[in-house]
Amino acid sequence: AQTVTQSQPEMSVQEAETVTLSCTYDTSENNYYLFWYKQPPSRQMILVIRQEAYKQQNATENRFSVNFQKAAKSFSLKISDSQLGDTAMYFCAFTNTGNQFYFGTGTSLTVIP
Amino acid sequence: DGGITQSPKYLFRKEGQNVTLSCEQNLNHDAMYWYRQDPGQGLRLIYYSQIVNDFQKGDIAEGYSVSREKKESFPLTVTSAQKNPTAFYLCASSIPGSQETQYFGPGTRLLVL
Repeated sequence: AQTVTQSQPEMSVQEAETVTLSCTYDTSENNYYLFWYKQPPSRQMILVIRQEAYKQQNATENRFSVNFQKAAKSFSLKISDSQLGDTAMYFCAFTNTGNQFYFGTGTSLTVIP
Repeated sequence: DGGITQSPKYLFRKEGQNVTLSCEQNLNHDAMYWYRQDPGQGLRLIYYSQIVNDFQKGDIAEGYSVSREKKESFPLTVTSAQKNPTAFYLCASSIPGSQETQYFGPGTRLLVL
């Protein structure tokens, strides 16, 4: 069974600082996809970044980057130069076929001015 | 503007009543999904559909029903058999086999009177 674990229910960071959110997953598959979604107070789920397991290079999107460790089944999200608008719930997600996605329980991030 | 719309934004259900949540997309995506979000539990899959006139149960399908008569539409009915329907419901869509990314609607908040 596929599972996704986010062990940090809440985190905070000072504006302009860097923060890392952790995610681990469990799967026996070799090819799969990993995602980080952001859910601000509006509750709209927004894709932050995506990683394909067969790619060794870590994905980056502007201030957001991941540290993908396939052997350790770890997929952490680093947010650089944190901004007030980054305050949100962040969900890690996994899929291998696209039929079913598995989500972690989320990390609530607060950016402090 | 391409996207996913959900209506209504808020929905109230009386005891013993069936209610239907609407989800429409104009992204030409083949696959559509319904998730339930409860506090502290992340997203749980209710139903998904890969193609018109076909759908599969997710992890928590009991008390819910769906239909997929058109590619653009995937309504969810919360039946009276669902004893704890109060939650936030999210609809998503994707193109299977194409980057495997899900895109979400703005959600519907269902409350029981």
